[in-house]
Amino acid sequence: QKEVEQNSGPLSVPEGAIASLNCTYSDRGSQSFFWYRQYSGKSPELIMFIYSNGDKEDGRFTAQLNKASQYVSLLIRDSQPSDSATYLCAVSKAGTASKLTFGTGTRLQVTL
Amino acid sequence: DTGVSQDPRHKITKRGQNVTFRCDPISEHNRLYWYRQTLGQGPEFLTYFQNEAQLEKSRLLSDRFSAERPKGSFSTLEIQRTEQGDSAMYLCASSTGSNTEAFFGQGTRLTVV
Repeated sequence: QKEVEQNSGPLSVPEGAIASLNCTYSDRGSQSFFWYRQYSGKSPELIMFIYSNGDKEDGRFTAQLNKASQYVSLLIRDSQPSDSATYLCAVSKAGTASKLTFGTGTRLQVTL
Repeated sequence: DTGVSQDPRHKITKRGQNVTFRCDPISEHNRLYWYRQTLGQGPEFLTYFQNEAQLEKSRLLSDRFSAERPKGSFSTLEIQRTEQGDSAMYLCASSTGSNTEAFFGQGTRLTVV
């Protein structure tokens, strides 16, 4: 079992719709959770981070964390074609000094 | 530009040659990380520094790989006797502390021919 699992996609959503990206992790010691966006050929760009159970909203993005279910999600409201990218889920464990373990990413396509 | 800076952006080298990459972190960040990313995969942790001390190395980091961060500022990653399997994007990231957000540089894409 991979430490961080994501559906590779592609996830296709129409412009203006809500995109829902999911991630599960295996280590219950995981403490911090991050979503990065990566355009083809570019480096990862931090979008959101969440440390506590529940929802965290930032503009069109909402991160959701459920530690009991070992599940993290990212919702993108009013999806735009510019949101088309690969979304990487990353986790770090307590005491590991921000060493991130990444999933393989979900490719999102926002169609016109 | 106050972000993480990496140099060069692209490197093509012949198998067996040595290569060195440089990373300049965000100035107030004391933690610096190196990751490697191959096509279709997420970044994989290689090593990390807190100030000038290299505190952790992944088992992915073979003896051919060495990293330094003299004076706790910029860092270099050297690969000796490159192999085709070393072809990847090498990413540097920095952060201010434990379990805080890490910001990535533009990456160095290495192609070994």
